[in-house]
Amino acid sequence: GAVVSQHPSRVICKSGTSVKIECRSLDFQATTMFWYRQFPKQSLMLMATSNEGSKATYEQGVEKDKFLINHASLTLSTLTVTSAHPEDSSFYICSALDRVVGSEQFFGPGTRLTVL
Amino acid sequence: GQQLNQSPQSMFIQEGEDVSMNCTSSSIFNTWLWYKQDPGEGPVLLIALYKAGELTSNGRLTAQFGITRKDSFLNISASIPSDVGIYFCAGGYGNKLVFGAGTILRVKS
Repeated sequence: GAVVSQHPSRVICKSGTSVKIECRSLDFQATTMFWYRQFPKQSLMLMATSNEGSKATYEQGVEKDKFLINHASLTLSTLTVTSAHPEDSSFYICSALDRVVGSEQFFGPGTRLTVL
Repeated sequence: GQQLNQSPQSMFIQEGEDVSMNCTSSSIFNTWLWYKQDPGEGPVLLIALYKAGELTSNGRLTAQFGITRKDSFLNISASIPSDVGIYFCAGGYGNKLVFGAGTILRVKS
């Protein structure tokens, strides 16, 4: 089946540093990937849609300069949290749309970010 | 923006009992999906519904896409301890998904 991986699975960083999270589709090509944020005991909130070879589109209220998204290939999208602060601590989850099937998002296992 | 109302927020049931949860919205969705999420992991798709009125089963799980396209329900029959987790509904529009707030299911054996 379609597998999506994320790296790292958890990261702890100091306030003010930048953190990069990778999302990879392992056995399929994904022209579209999505980034979600999930705070404790809350639902998944879509942050942005990442399209291969073009700029990401961000949901209302999400700062594009703070959450940099790069989708440089059909199997990799990265989310960089710049100048991270404690309020950015969250569970970040990516998903990918299979380029061929196109109708189902396959989710990664998530990345737990803790900013001290 | 589009919002989903998912209920109940939590359930604590006896093993063997049936479970029912639902999602409603004021917006129309093209698809309805149900996911289960275990702590510290990403959501896993349980059932996907693509047509209004569609009723689909996956083992002990049954879900329906409401005829108005504004609601969906998920039933779990004969619950077992491994059913414990958080269940999310999601409404699909275009390529995007909107998630409900989740239903926490606890099962006592």
